[in-house]
Amino acid sequence: DTGVSQDPRHKITKRGQNVTFRCDPISEHNRLYWYRQTLGQGPEFLTYFQNEAQLEKSRLLSDRFSAERPKGSFSTLEIQRTEQGDSAMYLCASSSPEVTALYGYTFGSGTRLTVV
Amino acid sequence: DQQVKQNSPSLSVQEGRISILNCDYTNSMFDYFLWYKKYPAEGPTFLISISSIKDKNEDGRFTVFLNKSAKHLSLHIVPSQPGDSAVYFCAASGWNTGNQFYFGTGTSLTVIP
Repeated sequence: DTGVSQDPRHKITKRGQNVTFRCDPISEHNRLYWYRQTLGQGPEFLTYFQNEAQLEKSRLLSDRFSAERPKGSFSTLEIQRTEQGDSAMYLCASSSPEVTALYGYTFGSGTRLTVV
Repeated sequence: DQQVKQNSPSLSVQEGRISILNCDYTNSMFDYFLWYKKYPAEGPTFLISISSIKDKNEDGRFTVFLNKSAKHLSLHIVPSQPGDSAVYFCAASGWNTGNQFYFGTGTSLTVIP
């Protein structure tokens, strides 16, 4: 297993366009998380899946954002009608529930989004 | 509202000396605390953790101390090595935080050879 994979690594898009990011978690992990990190800030929680069920969403996740995890494997995060304020690093992470509290998540390398 | 705070954006330490990174939190319900290390262009990687039933946890050169009454934790790195140069995030979770960790804003550590 190569860890958590995210694609693409970088995305530049024009304001108003839609973008979609993909995350492939560690295969044994049934929990998957999306976080967002802006310059000078720590990662901020966006949403969480257990298997295919989306169980929590942050108020940061506006109506323009949608996340899916079909079949409980990979996940996609789509941002519609992008705005300059969406420019950030989008981090995906996965974990097993029995070890999450003490060992946290395994993060991917992130997708850096720049909205111009 | 920032529930986890790292008030020092950066720290420089000579190789071989001790590095002390600090973290404060506001939510008294937090009961698990983690430190992550992040290199440029990579995601954060887990470093060490502590639960609220302990006040110290050690792993090699890394020790985390928890002071629950002060709502403060610190990460000690002894001896510091140039490869330790990275951004360090503390993170916390508790029974009332759902399934998310709250992260601090990070401290950029530079270990000078």
